[in-house]
Amino acid sequence: IAGITQAPTSQILAAGRRMTLRCTQDMRHNAMYWYRQDLGLGLRLIHYSNTAGTTGKGEVPDGYSVSRANTDDFPLTLASAVPSQTSVYFCASKRTGDNEQFFGPGTRLTVL
Amino acid sequence: SQKIEQNSEALNIQEGKTATLTCNYTNYSPAYLQWYRQDPGRGPVFLLLIRENEKEKRKERLKVTFDTTLKQSLFHITASQPADSATYLCALDMKSNDYKLSFGAGTTVTVRA
Repeated sequence: IAGITQAPTSQILAAGRRMTLRCTQDMRHNAMYWYRQDLGLGLRLIHYSNTAGTTGKGEVPDGYSVSRANTDDFPLTLASAVPSQTSVYFCASKRTGDNEQFFGPGTRLTVL
Repeated sequence: SQKIEQNSEALNIQEGKTATLTCNYTNYSPAYLQWYRQDPGRGPVFLLLIRENEKEKRKERLKVTFDTTLKQSLFHITASQPADSATYLCALDMKSNDYKLSFGAGTTVTVRA
């Protein structure tokens, strides 16, 4: 692994189903982020984690949850998916003290 | 309310010309401003960062200016090439927000050969 990986690449999901988007980084970055990107709205922060064991809410956290059991992994869970959660989801990470964020390739999620 | 606005229209330019993108913001006090490039189907990639006390920053054919009085950043791509075609995102980086980024919607640039 080099950088950030996300899985799955894309997914079609029935409304009401539970879904976990996976994110793994091998750069030993302390901070990790989940964004959603919708046409015309740009990237919006869902949840973040400044270090393993801590998480925080971003701009649009409702309907999503995260955990950060270790430095490398930061999964995003949709407990009961709704069509408005159709979006492209990006995971990112950052080294503490730096400003640059490194992004994963994204997961395209469609909720029907 | 807080707002970050980038060129609403896509930018189409001839190869060799300079592309100029704008990023205007209201009700933010960024410590830094970052620019990212995003290609279709890919995640954003960091290009440049400029601090609030810097007026201008350059990297190869890229130039960024930052005017905290006007609350505006300009991003220039000089001697543009078809390979510069992408969407460019500005992001505000604020100490008051624990250095979490707030992004604009992006401007899509197409460089014609």
